[in-house]
Amino acid sequence: QKEVEQDPGPLSVPEGAIVSLNCTYSNSAFQYFMWYRQYSRKGPELLMYTYSSGNKEDGRFTAQVDKSSKYISLFIRDSQPSDSATYLCATYIQGAQKLVFGQGTRLTINP
Amino acid sequence: NAGVTQTPKFQVLKTGQSMTLQCAQDMNHEYMSWYRQDPGMGLRLIHYSVGAGITDQGEVPNGYNVSRSTTEDFPLRLLSAAPSQTSVYFCASSYSATGNTIYFGEGSWLTVV
Repeated sequence: QKEVEQDPGPLSVPEGAIVSLNCTYSNSAFQYFMWYRQYSRKGPELLMYTYSSGNKEDGRFTAQVDKSSKYISLFIRDSQPSDSATYLCATYIQGAQKLVFGQGTRLTINP
Repeated sequence: NAGVTQTPKFQVLKTGQSMTLQCAQDMNHEYMSWYRQDPGMGLRLIHYSVGAGITDQGEVPNGYNVSRSTTEDFPLRLLSAAPSQTSVYFCASSYSATGNTIYFGEGSWLTVV
């Protein structure tokens, strides 16, 4: 079983829609959760960072962690064509000194 | 992706050749790492370093070698290239391994024929 599972998509939605991206993880000891955005032929960039459970909001983006179900989500409101990218969830394994990434979901926002 | 510089951006190698992917950062970060990204596999950690003179293996280290003689540089060496090493390679650096301050380079596209 992979430590972090993510539906690779692709996901295509119209401009202005609410987008929901999701990941599941296997280890209940994970505490740090991140979402990275990766544009085509670019390196990933950190979008959202959360610790433990709960929600974190930044503009049109909301990250949510549900530790009881080992589920992490990223919501994008009022989606824009510029949001078209691959979104990667990740979690940090303390002591192992590494991030573990999901497979990434390719998202396209259609004008 | 300011601060982390990778070279070359594109490279084609023949099976059995060796080469070095260069990575440099100017943010005085202690933690540096190399990932490879393959379709459907996400990013997988190859090697990492928590400071000059200290390196360790990640998830997929076979066929790769690293060293960290300075804080700024973390080169990745392919010892004898194989087609299975065709991938996109990303170098990353941060103050720590927790991920909230990690910066990635632009990537190096490697094809082994």
